[in-house]
Amino acid sequence: AQSVTQPDIHITVSEGASLELRCNYSYGATPYLFWYVQSPGQGLQLLLKYFSGDTLVQGIKGFEAEFKRSQSSFNLRKPSVHWSDAAEYFCAVGAKEYGNKLVFGAGTILRVKS
Amino acid sequence: GAVVSQHPSRVICKSGTSVKIECRSLDFQATTMFWYRQFPKQSLMLMATSNEGSKATYEQGVEKDKFLINHASLTLSTLTVTSAHPEDSSFYICSAREGGVDEQYFGPGTRLTVT
Repeated sequence: AQSVTQPDIHITVSEGASLELRCNYSYGATPYLFWYVQSPGQGLQLLLKYFSGDTLVQGIKGFEAEFKRSQSSFNLRKPSVHWSDAAEYFCAVGAKEYGNKLVFGAGTILRVKS
Repeated sequence: GAVVSQHPSRVICKSGTSVKIECRSLDFQATTMFWYRQFPKQSLMLMATSNEGSKATYEQGVEKDKFLINHASLTLSTLTVTSAHPEDSSFYICSAREGGVDEQYFGPGTRLTVT
């Protein structure tokens, strides 16, 4: 069965510090990988995506993620966090073989200390 | 481009009534639409996949007679929650995918509260 694990439910970082949010997946096909951000009561905003090619992906708002096939991971990083980055972050996996249906991780809530 | 809208953004209904939520792709033709449900402090769970002009495919554990999905055109899908109960209160999010494109575009969500 397909699954996505985000091992950290909450993460707190100081403003200006670096950030890494972890995502591991178990999937029976070549995955498409996504990171989304959600503010309270809002919909999802796509931060970045990986379909193929360069395994280091750049996204919006200064975020990047690296696909590591050997580790089944797609961790999200940002070198310097801003207070406005406080939100919930979801990793998601899909595949054409499964009709592009997305499986989401449980989410990681990011808190930013000033 | 690739904008998806949902209407209404919030709805409150009484227990036992039905409520319809619309999902529209504004600037592309959505051959496939997906409906997700998100309970408070939880992740998104896929409820069903609908392809234009055909019956929706429901995920295991989702009652198809309770959550009626219609995808009658390439720009509109509707989710009707029939005989709603308080446990159906949730955040419902749709997404849409254009044929030949692997990415889904998400709507802003609809907050349903059943009293």
